[in-house]
Amino acid sequence: GQQLNQSPQSMFIQEGEDVSMNCTSSSIFNTWLWYKQDPGEGPVLLIALYKAGELTSNGRLTAQFGITRKDSFLNISASIPSDVGIYFCAGWGGSQGNLIFGKGTKLSVKP
Amino acid sequence: DTAVSQTPKYLVTQMGNDKSIKCEQNLGHDTMYWYKQDSKKFLKIMFSYNNKELIINETVPNRFSPKSPDKAHLNLHINSLELGDSAVYFCASSQDRVAGELFFGEGSRLTVL
Repeated sequence: GQQLNQSPQSMFIQEGEDVSMNCTSSSIFNTWLWYKQDPGEGPVLLIALYKAGELTSNGRLTAQFGITRKDSFLNISASIPSDVGIYFCAGWGGSQGNLIFGKGTKLSVKP
Repeated sequence: DTAVSQTPKYLVTQMGNDKSIKCEQNLGHDTMYWYKQDSKKFLKIMFSYNNKELIINETVPNRFSPKSPDKAHLNLHINSLELGDSAVYFCASSQDRVAGELFFGEGSRLTVL
C-alpha cells in the first residue's frame, strides 16, 4: 500500500531553536495534514492543507503542501518545552481512500 | 465533556481471552474509526464506519469485530487475544469521510500476557 516517508525520525533541540520536518510519498494526495501526539494522549490535528502550494500557519507552526502533491513540510519556530511530542504527517485522498500516517518525528526540547 | 471517549484506558488480560473496548463521540460526526498504534508508534487504520455502515476494513484478523449500535458509538470486540494484539487502540471520528480531519480519543492500552 501507500507509504509516507517522514523525516527525521527524532530530533533533540535546544529551547528557542527552529525545527523542520518533512514527509514525502511516491503517490499524490488531495490533502496533507499534520498531527501532534503528546505522551499518553491521542493525536491532535495541528494543520490541514488542501491545495498544492498552499502555505498555512498556526501560531509558531507553518506547513506547506508541496507543488507536486507528493510532499509536505512542517516548521516550528522558537521551540518551547511544550512542543515535545511526536509529530505525524498524514495524507488523505490517495489510492487507498483513507488517511495514511507517516511514522512520526519525535521531538525533544531541552530547556 | 470529552469529545471522543474510550473505555477502558488500560486493559491487561491473558492470552485467549475475549475483550471489548468502547468508544463514544459527542461531536455529531457521521464517521468513526479504529486505529492501532504499535510499540514503534506506527498508526494504522483498522476499521471505518459511516452512519453505522462499515466502509473500510483493512487487513485485520477476523478475531477483531467492530460494532456500531448508532452513529455516536463504535465498539471493538477482540476474540482469542494473542500476544501480538498488545498495542494502543485509538478511536476517532470525523465530520465526513473526506479531508482526513480526525478527532481522536485518548487511546486504550491493551496488554496481553
